[in-house]
Amino acid sequence: EVQLVESGGGLVQPGRSLRLSCAASGFKFDDYAMHWVRQVPGKGLEWVSGISWNSGSIGYADSVKGRFTISRDNAKKSLYLEMNSLRAEDTALYYCAKEIAAAGGWDVWGQGTTVTVSS
Amino acid sequence: EIVLTQSPGTLSLSPGERATLSCRASQSVSSSFLAWYQQKPGQAPRLLIYGAFVRATGIPDRFSGSGSGTDFTLTISRLEPEDFAVYYCQQYGRSPITFGQGTRLEIK
Repeated sequence: EVQLVESGGGLVQPGRSLRLSCAASGFKFDDYAMHWVRQVPGKGLEWVSGISWNSGSIGYADSVKGRFTISRDNAKKSLYLEMNSLRAEDTALYYCAKEIAAAGGWDVWGQGTTVTVSS
Repeated sequence: EIVLTQSPGTLSLSPGERATLSCRASQSVSSSFLAWYQQKPGQAPRLLIYGAFVRATGIPDRFSGSGSGTDFTLTISRLEPEDFAVYYCQQYGRSPITFGQGTRLEIK
């Protein structure tokens, strides 16, 4: 079964750090670009960051640039999001998503992990 | 940044009716890198359409996408009860990747 499972969310104080993980199974992980997307409950979707299959191309939303770092370990079939200097506005449900091969959308999503930034 | 504006914000229709959802981009979306997603409460988004008109695997043929440039449309030909949800368009041709604000499709 093709699956993505996020972990690492939780309650964290403003200014602190958190590392999210996304474990992939059921597909050849190192063939595909991957992304992080977040969603405040009851609100829309916001792209956070994306990484190409070989980590050669990486992008960030302006709202997280300089604070968040995306990475992947193809041997471990895992995607990561290192989040530093967290702010209250980073509070959201964080999804990882798999991109279809070139020119495609994102066909596999995890169920998300919740990040709450509060003192 | 390419801003995507979806309309209407809420669409109230009955099962069996036809739904037409619009997504307008502030700049041309390159090579039709435009996707549509469906999201139900408590669930992750589900890919319906990519490349503006290509149905994703397993998506019923009552869902169709059209458009190019700055104007795109998702059409659901005959609404089934399970189609009532929130729909998002997404452009992935230019960074930053952006989503529309969503259209809520509700039962009339």
